[in-house]
Amino acid sequence: GAVVSQHPSRVICKSGTSVKIECRSLDFQATTMFWYRQFPKKSLMLMATSNEGSKATYEQGVEKDKFLINHASLTLSTLTVTSAHPEDSSFYICSARAPVFGETQYFGPGTRLLVL
Amino acid sequence: KQEVTQIPAALSVPEGENLVLNCSFTDSAIYNLQWFRQDPGKGLTSLLLIQSSQREQTSGRLNASLDKSSGRSTLYIAASQPGDSATYLCAVSASNTGKQFYFGTGTSLTVIP
Repeated sequence: GAVVSQHPSRVICKSGTSVKIECRSLDFQATTMFWYRQFPKKSLMLMATSNEGSKATYEQGVEKDKFLINHASLTLSTLTVTSAHPEDSSFYICSARAPVFGETQYFGPGTRLLVL
Repeated sequence: KQEVTQIPAALSVPEGENLVLNCSFTDSAIYNLQWFRQDPGKGLTSLLLIQSSQREQTSGRLNASLDKSSGRSTLYIAASQPGDSATYLCAVSASNTGKQFYFGTGTSLTVIP
């Protein structure tokens, strides 16, 4: 149990386009989901926290208009990178948490974004 | 803001050796600390979770300790194997800001057969 999926696993897009990444909790209801990004050979950086049905809370330095997060249901959160640029190329990972699991977060497999 | 540091950044050991990975954090007001493993290009696999009230956790060949007052945790790997080669990340969850994780910089481990 406690499986989190991400789609797509890999995406290549042209500069200026928008890309949507989905994060799904497959077998549990996630009240909170987190979005991280990871640069090559660097650690994960928390981007934002999203609670189902409310606006996401963004970390300092993360542009909310650039990275749109929607958590419309208890099993799905989406991250949309708007008007993507090459510097947005990164590895994006989501995690999900549910009260039944206490404070344990379950991580998705990640999405690699390459903006040309 | 919480800052998490891991030393060493990279480690190469021969198979069979016992090894210790270190993690330090600046704010001792944590909720819990977790050690993860990440294989190249992959997501994270949780290894051990230590609550702030606990001193250590063990799973198989892995043992993690936590000294909250000094802001330190160690991950001990016994009898290392080539399959242990990966990047190991520690993360702490804040006790007063939504409990999201702050990740360390990672230790890249290579176990040589």
